[in-house]
Amino acid sequence: EAQVTQNPRYLITVTGKKLTVTCSQNMNHEYMSWYRQDPGLGLRQIYYSMNVEATDKGDVPEGYKVSRKEKRNFPLILESPSPNQTSLYFCASSSQTGSTEAFFGQGTRLTVV
Amino acid sequence: AQSVTQPDIHITVSEGASLELRCNYSYGATPYLFWYVQSPGQGLQLLLKYFSGDTLVQGIKGFEAEFKRSQSSFNLRKPSVHWSDAAEYFCAVGGAGGYQKVTFGTGTKLQVIP
Repeated sequence: EAQVTQNPRYLITVTGKKLTVTCSQNMNHEYMSWYRQDPGLGLRQIYYSMNVEATDKGDVPEGYKVSRKEKRNFPLILESPSPNQTSLYFCASSSQTGSTEAFFGQGTRLTVV
Repeated sequence: AQSVTQPDIHITVSEGASLELRCNYSYGATPYLFWYVQSPGQGLQLLLKYFSGDTLVQGIKGFEAEFKRSQSSFNLRKPSVHWSDAAEYFCAVGGAGGYQKVTFGTGTKLQVIP
């Protein structure tokens, strides 16, 4: 089954404690992306990757890092989380960037206290 | 810069009634237009997509959308809403060739009442 898998689904952490949200896809997609979803703001892109070792900033990259060492994996790293990073996070993958269907993970709800 | 506007934050319809969700976009070239649905606790799922050809596009779950270039609109419709359609709906615009960002609207939350 084609899918994008994120872990964990829910996470509560404290300010400043480094965390990683994992994302894996089994569709051999080249393009992967991270979004955050906040009420009234829709989905905003954090980072994206066009392929292995090719990543770039989206609209709201501050406070986040990513890496793409393997095609299937695209982890999101918060080096020093802050309460304003409390949000719902989605990983997505697609075969191309703007012209094909994006497949989304089920989301990670992060709370930073 | 490309953008998407969904003017209705929240819509309530009765089960069996028709539905239209509005979407207006801004894009400098030929747009790729998408509608996604997000059920509670789930990720987004593609309902339908438009690039070219017939301006009336059929999607899954009985949804359709009509592209109107002159109005820069891509409204989503369903003739008869079911309770299971209660969800949040996102319109998005993208493009083809090289890296093309996809921009999402802020979403419309649909409530269905019996």
